[in-house]
Formats: sequence, structure tokens, C-alpha cells
Amino acid sequence: DQQVKQNSPSLSVQEGRISILNCDYTNSMFDYFLWYKKYPAEGPTFLISISSIKDKNEDGRFTVFLNKSAKHLSLHIVPSQPGDSAVYFCAASAIGSQGNLIFGKGTKLSVKP
Amino acid sequence: DSGVTQTPKHLITATGQRVTLRCSPRSGDLSVYWYQQSLDQGLQFLIHYYNGEERAKGNILERFSAQQFPDLHSELNLSSLELGDSALYFCASSVEGSYNEQFFGPGTRLTVL
Repeated sequence: DQQVKQNSPSLSVQEGRISILNCDYTNSMFDYFLWYKKYPAEGPTFLISISSIKDKNEDGRFTVFLNKSAKHLSLHIVPSQPGDSAVYFCAASAIGSQGNLIFGKGTKLSVKP
Repeated sequence: DSGVTQTPKHLITATGQRVTLRCSPRSGDLSVYWYQQSLDQGLQFLIHYYNGEERAKGNILERFSAQQFPDLHSELNLSSLELGDSALYFCASSVEGSYNEQFFGPGTRLTVL
């Protein structure tokens, strides 16, 4: 049973436009959420996180939105750049889990010039 | 470069064999996490060590074991290998166990023939 779901395996966006990556979760004990970016042959790289007490966190071109009632979060990238092309993983951590992360299967983002 | 190192980068072995994967965390990080990424799957949490002590277990098979040494490096031991154990194995580290972003190593690609 997948507790963190990324229902879109891939997304293609034009350079300069907005990329929106979505993530749904089922476990109401999750209280911390993270997005990681992964290039081929490399380990995941931390992008941005959000605590469950917030509904938005922004870092440069990256913004994460959290809708707790819908158990949904999204990552917005504005403007998208070709270098953003990678696989994006949504991850969540539950209260008392010592920070152990539960990952979604990822969404492959392609930003076309 | 995340500062987390993993060796070897690639490992090819036969069914029934035993292998050891090694991870050196970032300087100062006390927590080490191990994850497995199989084909078309997200990262699955295996086990977490903090300052030499096991903190949590995830979906780790009984054939797999890990330890963290006094110098904080960690080893993941996989025994009685099966074809299905072929995967990318990632190690991550963080300062503490909770609410800290995890820094991932480049991974070890294990192929069981």
C-alpha cells in the first residue's frame, strides 16, 4: 500500500513556463514533507521541504504548497529551465519516525527549450 | 557533491552470494539511512542508524543486515542474494534523526546474475 503517491510518471513543459508536480499521501501521521531531485547516475538532492504547520514554503524558483485536508502537496517551478529536467521525488516523514522518509515513485520532468 | 560517499559504485555478483556495501556519511552527521531503489520504484527505506545504534527498520529482509561503526561509517550486508535484489542502494546521512534534510550518496548499483 503506497502511502505517498505521485500519479504522473512524467511531465513535459516548455522552458519559461510553470512546472507543477503533484503528490498525494494517505497517512495522517505525516508531518514533514520534502521534495528531492534526481539526475541519472546520481543520488537524490534535497530541494525544498515543508512542515505540516505551514501551507506554503518558497525558495527562489521553487514553491511547495501543502493542503492537509486534501492530503495533497505540489511543487511549483517558475520559470522552468532545461536544467530542471530530472526525476522529482516527493517524500514524507511521520511523527516519531526518527526522520525516516517514505518516498513516492517519482515524476520525470522534461523542460524543452 | 553531497559529501556522502558510497563504495563500490557497481557490483555484479551471482545468486546465493554475499556482498557488503559501504557508506561514509558527511562529516559531523550522526545518522545514516539505507534505501533501496528497484526498477520503476521509489526509494524504499531499509534501516536507520544513529551514532552506532539501530534506530528504525523499514522494509528490510532478514537476509540483509547493517551496522554503523565508531567512526560513523556504515555497511549494508546482503546475503543469499536473489535476482530480485538487483537494485540501486542509496545511503543518506543527516545531522540528527528528525526533521533534517538527508544528504544522499551516489548509490551502489547491484546486479545479481
